[in-house]
Amino acid sequence: EVQLVESGGGVIQPGGSLRLSCTASGFTLSGYWMHWVRQAPGKGLVWVSRINIDGTTAHYADFVKGRFSISRDNAKNAVYLQMNSLGVEDTAVYYCARGGIGYCTPTSCADYYYFGMDVWGQGTTVTVSS
Amino acid sequence: DIQMTQSPSSLSASVGDRITITCRASQGIRNFLAWYQQKPGKVPNLLIYHASTLQSGVPSRFSGSGSGTDFSLTISSLQPEDVATYFCQKYDSEPLSFGGGTKVEIK
Repeated sequence: EVQLVESGGGVIQPGGSLRLSCTASGFTLSGYWMHWVRQAPGKGLVWVSRINIDGTTAHYADFVKGRFSISRDNAKNAVYLQMNSLGVEDTAVYYCARGGIGYCTPTSCADYYYFGMDVWGQGTTVTVSS
Repeated sequence: DIQMTQSPSSLSASVGDRITITCRASQGIRNFLAWYQQKPGKVPNLLIYHASTLQSGVPSRFSGSGSGTDFSLTISSLQPEDVATYFCQKYDSEPLSFGGGTKVEIK
């Protein structure tokens, strides 16, 4: 069964840090771009970050640039989101999602075929509160 | 950044009704648009990508159309299991923004 499982959420004080993990099973993570999407309580979906297949290219939403860092370990079939300088506005369920079949050219691995985010984890809850 | 605006924000319709949700981009995004369904308390589920391509396993009563700045998601015959919030998402370039969502209920 194709599956993503997130972990690492919790309650953290403002200014603190957390590292979220997302582990894949049932497919080879290394062939896909991976994303983090968050959803504050009662609110809509917000795209946070994405990473290419070999971890050399990452993109971020403006509101997390300089605070969050996405990475991956294909040998462990895992993707991570390091979150620093957390604020109350970062309180949300964080989803890991698969999106984009990546491929490499002679010069880079930054290209992909995107067909939407077709596999989502169950989410991990981050609560920032004093 | 390109903004994605969905309308209506909520709607109530009867079983069997045809409903349409619209999504407007503040600039052209060609056909780089996806639609997701999120049932209450559940994880989002991909319905449509490339504006009109139905994801495998999605019922044929769902359809998408549009290109450029104006897109729509149509449910041809609303079913009780379609109660959910629907989100559009652009993916022409980052940020891969979502629309604000449309909550669909049964009358």
